Amino acid sequence: QVQLVESGGGLVRPGGSLRLSCAASGFIFSDFYMGWVRQTPDKGLEWISYGNKGGDVVYYTESVKGRFAMSRDNAGNSLYLQMNNLRPDDTAVYYCVRPLTITNLYCGFDSWGQGTRVIVSS
Amino acid sequence: EIVMTQSPATLSVSPGERVTLSCRASQSVTRSLAWYQQKPGQPPRLLIYAASSRAPGVPARFSGSGSGTEFTLTISSLQSEDYAVYYCQNYYIWPPEFTFGPGSKVDI
Repeated sequence: QVQLVESGGGLVRPGGSLRLSCAASGFIFSDFYMGWVRQTPDKGLEWISYGNKGGDVVYYTESVKGRFAMSRDNAGNSLYLQMNNLRPDDTAVYYCVRPLTITNLYCGFDSWGQGTRVIVSS
Repeated sequence: EIVMTQSPATLSVSPGERVTLSCRASQSVTRSLAWYQQKPGQPPRLLIYAASSRAPGVPARFSGSGSGTEFTLTISSLQSEDYAVYYCQNYYIWPPEFTFGPGSKVDI
């Protein structure tokens, strides 16, 4: 079955960096666009990034542009999120997500990891 | 920027009752609307896409309707496992933009 396992979260000081990883299994990773979504009690669910199968085209939500970079290793079935210049409002649970696609059309995120928690605090 | 709102914020329901949750978009999103269910300690689960299509494996008691700016998720007969928070999500495919609503909590 489809499995997404995030890792790399933790406590980091403001201005610091973290690299999140997502190990994918149970499907042909290179056949799917992938993304990251984060969740906080205050702001709820927030889409962060979404990119194509090759990883060369990635879009970001405005609040993380220039600070976060998503990449992927199709040979290793892994997705990454490099987070730089972290701020306290980046504190959240970060989920790796895969879309449901029907006839190549996006139909929602049907696969989610369990999430990895990032805390940005001094 | 599209803003999604949901109502009610919390709904207290007994098992077997019919539940209707609303989602409103600040501008028309045609039928690009998904619904998710989230239970404590778990990631969201996709229920509905394209406003009214059930995702694979989702029970028939869940149904979605609407288009444009007004959408509804209906649970025909609430089961004990349906107590959760429900989120709507607008999606714009390319360039991608995904906006979630604040959620509606269904509790006892």
